[in-house]
Amino acid sequence: QLQLQESGPGLVRPSETLSLTCTVSGGSISSTTYYWGWLRQPPGKGLEWIGSIHYRGTTYYTPSLKTRVTISVDTSKNQFSLKLSSVTAADMAMYFCARHPFTPGTSRNWFDPWGQGTLVIVPS
Amino acid sequence: QSVLTQPPSASGTPGQRVTVFCSGSNSNIGSNTVNWYRQLPGTAPKLFIYNNNQRPSGVPDRFSGSKSGTSASLAISGLQSEDEADYYCAAWDDSLNGFYVFGTGTKVTVL
Repeated sequence: QLQLQESGPGLVRPSETLSLTCTVSGGSISSTTYYWGWLRQPPGKGLEWIGSIHYRGTTYYTPSLKTRVTISVDTSKNQFSLKLSSVTAADMAMYFCARHPFTPGTSRNWFDPWGQGTLVIVPS
Repeated sequence: QSVLTQPPSASGTPGQRVTVFCSGSNSNIGSNTVNWYRQLPGTAPKLFIYNNNQRPSGVPDRFSGSKSGTSASLAISGLQSEDEADYYCAAWDDSLNGFYVFGTGTKVTVL
């Protein structure tokens, strides 16, 4: 059974870079048919997709965060990572990683399963 | 940047049918399939419907999805107390080089 687990600092100061890692177990991140995504949810608010990566390195990012986001993959560790630069209080959220069955140009595009999430606090 | 609109709340009594609506535009729902996620309090979202009306393994057939034009809906029949949760629609949006967008979310309450 595929499982994903987020890890990283729970507190990031304003203007610094948020760094999180997602470890995949029970399956290989080097599958040609899947992307791997990051999503977030501010406290009491809705869900937002941040971006996704294929193990070969192809990335897609949401337009509003594109200039600050980098997603990378480490196939040797079965992990993928998120870096978000110049954080502000608006970036405080629960961050989730998820498998992203995604074939561009087709209907194959959803997130399943999800990790349990990790809360990142940005003190004001 | 939610561009899919959902009512903030919906409710029903046990056994009733409840429908959650999701409104989008030509660049998202009008051009792509819709997925639905359920989020129980304090937990991660879970995929409940994909490709407009397909249920992943383990999702009860009380849940059904549909799409028409630029709108979609999720119907829950035979409402049960454990269905009380937040429900989010989602779709790919073809504008701005493409991005995945979620709805604003609907809290379903079982009265």
